[in-house]
Amino acid sequence: AQKITQTQPGMFVQEKEAVTLDCTYDTSDPSYGLFWYKQPSSGEMIFLIYQGSYDQQNATEGRYSLNFQKARKSANLVISASQLGDSAMYFCAMSGSSNTGKLIFGQGTTLQVKP
Amino acid sequence: NAGVTQTPKFRVLKTGQSMTLLCAQDMNHEYMYWYRQDPGMGLRLIHYSVGEGTTAKGEVPDGYNVSRLKKQNFLLGLESAAPSQTSVYFCASSQPSFRGNTEAFFGQGTRLTVV
Repeated sequence: AQKITQTQPGMFVQEKEAVTLDCTYDTSDPSYGLFWYKQPSSGEMIFLIYQGSYDQQNATEGRYSLNFQKARKSANLVISASQLGDSAMYFCAMSGSSNTGKLIFGQGTTLQVKP
Repeated sequence: NAGVTQTPKFRVLKTGQSMTLLCAQDMNHEYMYWYRQDPGMGLRLIHYSVGEGTTAKGEVPDGYNVSRLKKQNFLLGLESAAPSQTSVYFCASSQPSFRGNTEAFFGQGTRLTVV
């Protein structure tokens, strides 16, 4: 069975500093995808970044990068130069090889950016 | 461009009442999903559909039924609401991708309270 674990319920970071949100996963599928979503206090789910299990390079999208360590089964999100608007809940999620797009989500990490 | 629209946004039900949540997407996506979000548990998949006329059970399907009579709509029904179904419900849609990198687009969520 697939499982996603986010061990940090809450995190604080100073504005303009970088922060790493942890995500570990477990799966027996040889092919899978890893996603990060942001959920601000308004409640919507915003897609941030994707990493495929066969991708050779770590994914990057603007200030977001994914530190993918396949052997350790970790897919940590790095946010550089934090902004006040980054304060939100962040979810790590995984899709499997069934190609149905179903996602397994972690419990989430609440990030607060301090001015 | 509306994306994924959920109706209603909020609802209060009495135990035993029934209701239907409507999800509509205008992106011509094949796949659609219903998730529920509870505090501290992330999002969990209730039911999903990989095409018009198809439905399948997710992780937590008990107490819910779904239908996908039209490609753009995915309905979630509660036949006899229970307090344990108090949650925030999210509909999402996505398009098949052989690389598995297709992001899911989420609706704004429906906050349901069962008293």
